[in-house]
Amino acid sequence: DQQVKQNSPSLSVQEGRISILNCDYTNSMFDYFLWYKKYPAEGPTFLISISSIKDKNEDGRFTVFLNKSAKHLSLHIVPSQPGDSAVYFCAAKRNAGNMLTFGGGTRLMVKP
Amino acid sequence: EPEVTQTPSHQVTQMGQEVILRCVPISNHLYFYWYRQILGQKVEFLVSFYNNEISEKSEIFDDQFSVERPDGSNFTLKIRSTKLEDSAMYFCASSSGGRGAFFGQGTRLTVV
Repeated sequence: DQQVKQNSPSLSVQEGRISILNCDYTNSMFDYFLWYKKYPAEGPTFLISISSIKDKNEDGRFTVFLNKSAKHLSLHIVPSQPGDSAVYFCAAKRNAGNMLTFGGGTRLMVKP
Repeated sequence: EPEVTQTPSHQVTQMGQEVILRCVPISNHLYFYWYRQILGQKVEFLVSFYNNEISEKSEIFDDQFSVERPDGSNFTLKIRSTKLEDSAMYFCASSSGGRGAFFGQGTRLTVV
């Protein structure tokens, strides 16, 4: 099941710089998208979400961009901090139902 | 801050045995979920539960799985006869019916 894909398994960024995590999807029925952060031995923690009627949503250092025509979303973290080092998952939901379909995750490492 | 709690954090069981994973969702949430993550793989949806019945389930959630909300606070996942391939992190999640789900810290199930 490759409906949601995160093509970069890892990303390394210097502290203070921008981190950009990408996600692609194939199912046009998805209308809501979420980003989760996950530390080892913990559950996913909700970060930010976006509805398909928007193209941008911002919350503090986190901004999610949605390009519906390209079926692509991205998470920008600026400035990046060492505490942001974790695995980031994008997830998508269809209008009908509450099931989340997850991407494979991107491990972000922010170097001091 | 309210959180989803799961017990136990780690469960080791013999193949063929029954296991029950327990979860206490966030108190005012109405939707409850189980997801799992096999080591090195994606987080996968198992089942959602609303109004005392299953509202959605994936093909993973076969007859050996069942869920129950035995009282007003607990939400359980039962695996009747465990197999080696059931070894995974199992995450419980809950939501208020909005878009995002909040996850517990997970139960690591090891089938030997």
